[in-house]
Amino acid sequence: AQSVSQHNHHVILSEAASLELGCNYSYGGTVNLFWYVQYPGQHLQLLLKYFSGDPLVKGIKGFEAEFIKSKFSFNLRKPSVQWSDTAEYFCAANNAGNMLTFGGGTRLMVKP
Amino acid sequence: DAEITQSPRHKITETGRQVTLACHQTWNHNNMFWYRQDLGHGLRLIHYSYGVHDTNKGEVSDGYSVSRSNTEDLPLTLESAASSQTSVYFCASSPQGLSDTQYFGPGTRLTVL
Repeated sequence: AQSVSQHNHHVILSEAASLELGCNYSYGGTVNLFWYVQYPGQHLQLLLKYFSGDPLVKGIKGFEAEFIKSKFSFNLRKPSVQWSDTAEYFCAANNAGNMLTFGGGTRLMVKP
Repeated sequence: DAEITQSPRHKITETGRQVTLACHQTWNHNNMFWYRQDLGHGLRLIHYSYGVHDTNKGEVSDGYSVSRSNTEDLPLTLESAASSQTSVYFCASSPQGLSDTQYFGPGTRLTVL
């Protein structure tokens, strides 16, 4: 079965620290990849997505992710986090004709 | 502005009762989805619809049903609520293809006592 894994369930960082959240998927072939963010008390919002082309994807709020096909990975990065980045982050994937599958989520807490 | 809304935002009910959660989108999207969010499980797909009168089962559909009588609405019904259905429920929609970005509603927190 297709699956998406996020290995870091909880991450605590200080402001200005660099962030990298891991995401691995089990799909073969063409894959579409997404990162969503859920701020406290809010609904999920799209941070960025990869469908094809440049494997380094820029998203909103300074986030980026790199698609590495050989590693089946789509890790999320941000050079310098802010307190306002405290949220839960979800990686998701699908391939043509299939439903979106979400990872279990990573809760990020940024200490001011 | 187009949006997707859910109601109620919070609901407490008793075991065995029927509960319906509403989802309404003004994006005019063909595809609509219902997910439940549980700690450690991320979001899991309950039911989805590709258009009017179309409904399909997702990964965790047991105990839930949906109907799609128009483009804008996909209500989710719990036929006989169980404590295991205590969760946060999210509705989402996407324009056309299954690869399209999904847009999420604000969620409904359901507690079954």
